[in-house]
Amino acid sequence: AQSVTQPDIHITVSEGASLELRCNYSYGATPYLFWYVQSPGQGLQLLLKYFSGDTLVQGIKGFEAEFKRSQSSFNLRKPSVHWSDAAEYFCAVGPYSGNTPLVFGKGTRLSVIA
Amino acid sequence: EAGVTQFPSHSVIEKGQTVTLRCDPISGHDNLYWYRRVMGKEIKFLLHFVKESKQDESGMPNNRFLAERTGGTYSTLKVQPAELEDSGVYFCASTPLDGTGELFFGEGSRLTVL
Repeated sequence: AQSVTQPDIHITVSEGASLELRCNYSYGATPYLFWYVQSPGQGLQLLLKYFSGDTLVQGIKGFEAEFKRSQSSFNLRKPSVHWSDAAEYFCAVGPYSGNTPLVFGKGTRLSVIA
Repeated sequence: EAGVTQFPSHSVIEKGQTVTLRCDPISGHDNLYWYRRVMGKEIKFLLHFVKESKQDESGMPNNRFLAERTGGTYSTLKVQPAELEDSGVYFCASTPLDGTGELFFGEGSRLTVL
């Protein structure tokens, strides 16, 4: 069965510190991977996506993610966190098609302290 | 170009009442999805429309939920009668028929059942 695991429910980091949010997936075919972010009072916004090619993908707001097939992981990273990054982050997996729904993880809530 | 819009943004109703949520997808997007997030849980798929047809409604919790997409434009999701466990955030997403798996989300409709 398809599934996404985000092991960290809540992470707190200091402003300026580096960040890594973990995501592991289980998917029977070639996965199409996404990271979405939901800021307070906002909808889900796409940060980045990966289907093929370079396994390190760059996204918006200075985020990047690395696809590791051997580990079934797609971890999200940012070298220096800003207070505005406080939000909830969701990893998702699906096929390269809009005709099958994405499967989401439970999300990781990020808090940023001064 | 307008994004996915959802209405209402927040609805508070009593158990047993009826609520109808509306989603206007991005113009030209034939795929329309409903997802739900119960507090602390993952974002779960409810159903998928292709134009006006229900492609997949395997995620609908029970027959108290009725989704429609007359004319293949906007969609409504009715909960009747609402129960306490229906509380959560209902997200709508759309994507073109020939697009990739990237979903464009609305801001969600928060439903609170008292």
